[in-house]
Amino acid sequence: SQQGEEDPQALSIQEGENATMNCSYKTSINNLQWYRQNSGRGLVHLILIRSNEREKHSGRLRVTLDTSKKSSSLLITASRAADTASYFCAMGGEGTSGSRLTFGEGTQLTVNP
Amino acid sequence: NAGVTQTPKFQVLKTGQSMTLQCAQDMNHNSMYWYRQDPGMGLRLIYYSASEGTTDKGEVPNGYNVSRLNKREFSLRLESAAPSQTSVYFCASGWTSGSYNEQFFGPGTRLTVL
Repeated sequence: SQQGEEDPQALSIQEGENATMNCSYKTSINNLQWYRQNSGRGLVHLILIRSNEREKHSGRLRVTLDTSKKSSSLLITASRAADTASYFCAMGGEGTSGSRLTFGEGTQLTVNP
Repeated sequence: NAGVTQTPKFQVLKTGQSMTLQCAQDMNHNSMYWYRQDPGMGLRLIYYSASEGTTDKGEVPNGYNVSRLNKREFSLRLESAAPSQTSVYFCASGWTSGSYNEQFFGPGTRLTVL
């Protein structure tokens, strides 16, 4: 199965700074998604980028995808204390496995006020 | 809409006991999933159901069984719980439609097996 690796494992920044998280994967994908998990809660979908897209924006989020390098990055601009959470990338496979997602191990982001 | 609901929220079992985790969604999704999350790790897929009437194994199916009761409900059963099954269990649902397969998650069930 595909595996996602996220970098860094933990990131601590000050409010107002930008946060960048990276995800690498091993096999071909149909799409790549990013999710947020607040402590003790379920995951919440943030953004989806298809394999034929290179960049996507949603509010303060910017996602890039480089299929040649099998990597993606999530940028959160002007971070807030409320952005403190774990962030996971998830790979959507091709073909019949298209309904399945494979999750990375996550980046723990702490935004200090 | 309640979204994805899970019961119970917390459970403590003794080794060898059995239990069923319940999941329901009201978003008319065709696909439903069960994951486990261990400390400091991402989610691992246990079983999924791409449509009503079908179920398939994920990465870590051993020790679990599932039932897709109808389009709304997908249950996970532990027949003989083991300490290695101590984890947080998440149910999710979504559509299977080409490139758009984002998933919606329940709040989780925290299970401890003694």
